[in-house]
Amino acid sequence: DAGITQSPRHKVTETGTPVTLRCHQTENHRYMYWYRQDPGHGLRLIHYSYGVKDTDKGEVSDGYSVSRSKTEDFLLTLESATSSQTSVYFCAISESLNSWNTEAFFGQGTRLTVV
Amino acid sequence: DQQVKQNSPSLSVQEGRISILNCDYTNSMFDYFLWYKKYPAEGPTFLISISSIKDKNEDGRFTVFLNKSAKHLSLHIVPSQPGDSAVYFCAASASGTYKYIFGTGTRLKVLA
Repeated sequence: DAGITQSPRHKVTETGTPVTLRCHQTENHRYMYWYRQDPGHGLRLIHYSYGVKDTDKGEVSDGYSVSRSKTEDFLLTLESATSSQTSVYFCAISESLNSWNTEAFFGQGTRLTVV
Repeated sequence: DQQVKQNSPSLSVQEGRISILNCDYTNSMFDYFLWYKKYPAEGPTFLISISSIKDKNEDGRFTVFLNKSAKHLSLHIVPSQPGDSAVYFCAASASGTYKYIFGTGTRLKVLA
């Protein structure tokens, strides 16, 4: 298994509170991603990072921010959680070889409930 | 705008028969395609991939076919086993973008 750890694994929070999810990798992969999984929508990309301090928006970035100060850590922050952000969040990592993409490896997921 | 589409939300197949999962894409810049398998309460796991320079890739019971002109790919599982029951996602990326765009998934149920 790829060395990816997500924390926390489960969280319940109240509407309007800030929440930070952490993804930690031990593979030294350059690229890191945050996805959310929702019924009927599959996996949707929130933000991704292509290096330390280099991040970009994905398909559903509104209401989320990210930071990557070290290769191994990628943080996802919900500045003010809303019920629509109740979801399962997955972190993924990947590396590229000679500009060709390779497969991404996923963490176990974080189930976030906003009440 | 769904760039990667899996139009069948679910599929049931008898054990030992072939399972065929389909995926369509709209972005002609996509040149690398992947299939993932997901069990409940676990993260997706990589199954098989194919680059646009090929039209077929095989790994054991799993074969992926790519039809670039139709912007269509399919995953064949032969023979299907009960342990294959899971949600299957197809994904696509374009060289240099390092983003993976996923479909909505197909839930496969293999009946014993």
